[in-house]
This record gives sequence, C-alpha cells and structure tokens, in this order.
Amino acid sequence: DAKTTQPPSMDCAEGRAANLPCNHSTISGNEYVYWYRQIHSQGPQYIIHGLKNNETNEMASLIITEDRKSSTLILPHATLRDTAVYYCISRYSGGGADGLTFGKGTHLIIQP
Amino acid sequence: DAMVIQNPRYQVTQFGKPVTLSCSQTLNHNVMYWYQQKSSQAPKLLFHYYDKDFNNEADTPDNFQSRRPNTSFCFLDIRSPGLGDAAMYLCATSRDFGGFNQPQHFGDGTRLSIL
Repeated sequence: DAKTTQPPSMDCAEGRAANLPCNHSTISGNEYVYWYRQIHSQGPQYIIHGLKNNETNEMASLIITEDRKSSTLILPHATLRDTAVYYCISRYSGGGADGLTFGKGTHLIIQP
Repeated sequence: DAMVIQNPRYQVTQFGKPVTLSCSQTLNHNVMYWYQQKSSQAPKLLFHYYDKDFNNEADTPDNFQSRRPNTSFCFLDIRSPGLGDAAMYLCATSRDFGGFNQPQHFGDGTRLSIL
C-alpha cells in the first residue's frame, strides 16, 4: 500500500467546514483512498473512500486531485463531536482481505 | 443494529497469566481482524481470518494466537502477557466477495492492563 502523509493536527471552528489534506504521491492505479476516524476511546469508524472521482456521503465529501497524488476530506459543518484522529489510508480493494495500514493521522480539534 | 461487539471493554490480567479477549459480530462478514493499539499510536494489524483461514502478520509475536469457532465469533489469546502487551485490542470485520472488499467495521475495543 502507498504511504500517506497528513498534518499531525488541525483546528477548526464549530459550524465551519473542516478540510483535511492527505498526500499519497506513490499511490498506484488500483489503490483506493480510504478515510477513517477514531474518536477518543472508540474504535475507528469508516467515513468514505474513492478511486479517482470525487465522492460524497452523509458524513463527508472526498476530493481527489486529477493526478491522484493528493486528496482532501471535507466535513461540511463541523461539530464538537467531529473532534477525532482522522486517518487517510491507501488500499487495494479488488478482492482479498488485507488489513489496514494506519499512519499517524491528523488530530482534528473542533473549537466551540 | 448490526455491529461488532467486544467484551469486556476493560480487562486486567497478571504478568504471565493467559488472557482471552472476545469479539462477536452480527454483520455475517466473512473476514475478521485483530489490531493492537498502544497508547498514542495508530492501530497495528496482528492477524485476520478469511472464513476459516488464518493469516498471521509476519511481525506478530508467537505469544498472540487467535481462534474463530464460527462466523460470528473470534477470540484473541495472549499466552503469557508481558508489560509491553498492555494496549487497546480492536476487532474489525469486513465482507470480501466477487473481487471486491468492503470497508471494515470496528468494535470499540478491549483495553488490556497488565499488573
């Protein structure tokens, strides 16, 4: 799996959009970009994933650059409950059951 | 709601005394994983079961074993816990089918302390 790089921490004001960047310059053509988050004392929670098109679900939007070397997770209206460590992970999803390789992630702190 | 359940949430054992952590799932997923997460670190994969097939990570110590008696349950056995094994242990599941692997669902973990 390709290595991903994220800033160690970010702050965002409650109610504003939180934009979390991720670099994955060595990602291969068959690797997806996944985002998980881990709220304190809980297990990681799946947020969203994509291959090359932008994706949106009820939790967030994922914007992937055309060259696929970076992406941004967008939480459109951050709340205090969004304070968590966010992990960007590249992973092949074409079958098989390899586990996730977590990096250090970004600790997002939502400020009231 | 369908989910991944880990019991207990907190487990205390003595140095060298065997301990078993349990995980159950109602998702009917065919893959189950165990991760170890030490304080202030990211989760690290120990091993996984694909149906009944056990797949160990190369750097997982022999002290860690696992059992999966049926689709719903999976156990993590630590034969002789050392102080360095104190951590949060996370169970996850996913469904792999038709050449596609779905996202993983995690339990809330068991925090293991070693006295």
